[in-house]
Amino acid sequence: DAKTTQPPSMDCAEGRAANLPCNHSTISGNEYVYWYRQIHSQGPQYIIHGLKNNETNEMASLIITEDRKSSTLILPHATLRDTAVYYCIVRGDNDMRFGAGTRLTVKP
Amino acid sequence: DTGVSQDPRHKITKRGQNVTFRCDPISEHNRLYWYRQTLGQGPEFLTYFQNEAQLEKSRLLSDRFSAERPKGSFSTLEIQRTEQGDSAMYLCASSLGLGRESGYTFGSGTRLTVV
Repeated sequence: DAKTTQPPSMDCAEGRAANLPCNHSTISGNEYVYWYRQIHSQGPQYIIHGLKNNETNEMASLIITEDRKSSTLILPHATLRDTAVYYCIVRGDNDMRFGAGTRLTVKP
Repeated sequence: DTGVSQDPRHKITKRGQNVTFRCDPISEHNRLYWYRQTLGQGPEFLTYFQNEAQLEKSRLLSDRFSAERPKGSFSTLEIQRTEQGDSAMYLCASSLGLGRESGYTFGSGTRLTVV
């Protein structure tokens, strides 16, 4: 079962930052937080992951709270192509358990 | 293309028929995973392999389902006596298996429709 809670849907204006929250209050000390996204009819695509520190790559930034019970994925300048379902996952040893994710709709 | 390949992309079959899907992982990845995804839901874990050994199976994997990875490279997922409830996207992923810091690379999936 998924160990994360995400809002089912969010909207964002094109060009603005999209901030997607995730709660993972039962995360263990050595479990990583991963974010994937899935565009219609495609496989999930890796975005970013982190353990304790904030992380940034060419796609997004990941902000993890100090107590590690929640995190936020930030897409700094959302485009229409960022419309997708975004999954926040707590990574166990042997598998990744997906929840229902957040459906992000970027609007012109 | 060095990604994860799945074949076929789409499969339509009649109820009661057997189907087999293939997954070719990234060549240096030793772990391979199968997931199932129904409409509006996130992917659900089915099973995974480390090299040729099948190490975990979900209770979603009924006795009509069998997965193999005979030489630790490609994998097949077979569904026998298909039912309409088997209609779903079947996703394959691979990873280096280096623990929790190792992410998965997913294929584009095989969409199965049972009529």
